[in-house]
Amino acid sequence: EVQLLESGGGLVQPGGSLRLSCAASGFTFSGYAMTWVRQTPGKGLEWVSSISGSGAKTYYADSVKGRFTISRDNSKDTLYVQVNSLRADDTAVYYCAKHPDVGSYYYMDVWGKGTTVTVSS
Amino acid sequence: QTVVTQEPSFSVSPGGTVTLTCGLSSGSVSSSYYPSWYQQTPGQAPRTLIYSTNTRSSGVPDRFSGSILGNKAALTITGAQADDEADYHCVLYMGSGISVFGGGTKLTVL
Repeated sequence: EVQLLESGGGLVQPGGSLRLSCAASGFTFSGYAMTWVRQTPGKGLEWVSSISGSGAKTYYADSVKGRFTISRDNSKDTLYVQVNSLRADDTAVYYCAKHPDVGSYYYMDVWGKGTTVTVSS
Repeated sequence: QTVVTQEPSFSVSPGGTVTLTCGLSSGSVSSSYYPSWYQQTPGQAPRTLIYSTNTRSSGVPDRFSGSILGNKAALTITGAQADDEADYHCVLYMGSGISVFGGGTKLTVL
């Protein structure tokens, strides 16, 4: 069974940092592009960042560019996002999602259950 | 700034048909944007319903269908059931690895 399990969320002060992880299982991780999506409390979903299967290509939403860094370790079947300079409006549930193949980003076919990041002093 | 528009809320009677739409603040939605749709119930992760305009994801009942209607992408639920009550999110793929979500539609079945 294809599964994604996020971790690393928590309470952090404004300006702080976290590294979120997404452990993948049930598929050949390196063969698929991956994405982070977030959902602010009571609001809609927002695309955050995507990465190709090899990790060579990365993409970011303007709202996080320069502060977030997406990466992956294909030897550990794990996706990461380093989130720095956190602001109150970064408070959200962060989901990782799988794309249907190594270099296409047309849609997400599998989602994790999410990890919650709260930015507050 | 690309804005993807969805109705904030919609209601449908059990057994009824409802069409939710996904548009662009500027321009028309076509299949070139590979519209996809996701269902989300409270406290749960999104579930993929439709991709590439009109392809149902594995296990999705055929009462869910996708299309292009006029200048928007559309999700139609035919014969709505109580457990279809959820938030529905559309996504348009802008190219270069970038996707944009709509604001979501809260569907009430009553």
